Amino acid sequence: EVQLVQSGSEVKKPGESLKISCEASGYRFSTYWIGWVRQMPGKGLEWMGIIYPGDSDIRYSPSFQGQVTISADKSINTAYLQWSSLKASDSAMYYCVRRSATSDPFDPWGQGTLVTVSS
Amino acid sequence: YVLTQPPSVSVAPGKTARITCGGNNFGSRSVHWYQQKPGQAPILVIYYDTDRASRIPERFSGYNSGNTATLIISRVEAGDEADYYCQVWNSGSDHPLFGGGTKLTVL
Repeated sequence: EVQLVQSGSEVKKPGESLKISCEASGYRFSTYWIGWVRQMPGKGLEWMGIIYPGDSDIRYSPSFQGQVTISADKSINTAYLQWSSLKASDSAMYYCVRRSATSDPFDPWGQGTLVTVSS
Repeated sequence: YVLTQPPSVSVAPGKTARITCGGNNFGSRSVHWYQQKPGQAPILVIYYDTDRASRIPERFSGYNSGNTATLIISRVEAGDEADYYCQVWNSGSDHPLFGGGTKLTVL
């Protein structure tokens, strides 16, 4: 079974750094894209960016370029989303998603990681 | 490019729900639909306009015509209450775009 399992909830202070993870299983990690989607409280879905672990090709949404860093470690089938300096406005649920190829849907989705940034 | 969904749709149990997703020159783009129940992650329900994802009941179907794609849920059940999002890929940029979501309420 294809699964994406994300790291647990985080509570951080503004200015702190954070790296959340998404561990994949049930398929060949290097040959599928892994993306990240943000959902702010009570709001819709926003695409942040995507990485192809096979060659580390990364594409960011213009809205998130420079605000976050996406990476992956093929040796442990894990993708990451990180912030160097969190803001209160980064408080949201973050989902990792898998995509096969251009134009394909996101399937499956990780269970989500809730990030709370508060002083 | 903007995808427009109605904020809410209400339907009685056993009836048919239709959730629309519109955009300019829509017919050239394939649409994917996701269901998000309260407190859960989204799941794929319909992909490439009409294909039903695995483990999704046959009551769910979709089509894309002109400038509007439609998710149809037949014989609606209480368990279908959820937010539904459409999604397309922007041609040329490899950037996905989500609709704003539609909250389906079963009366």
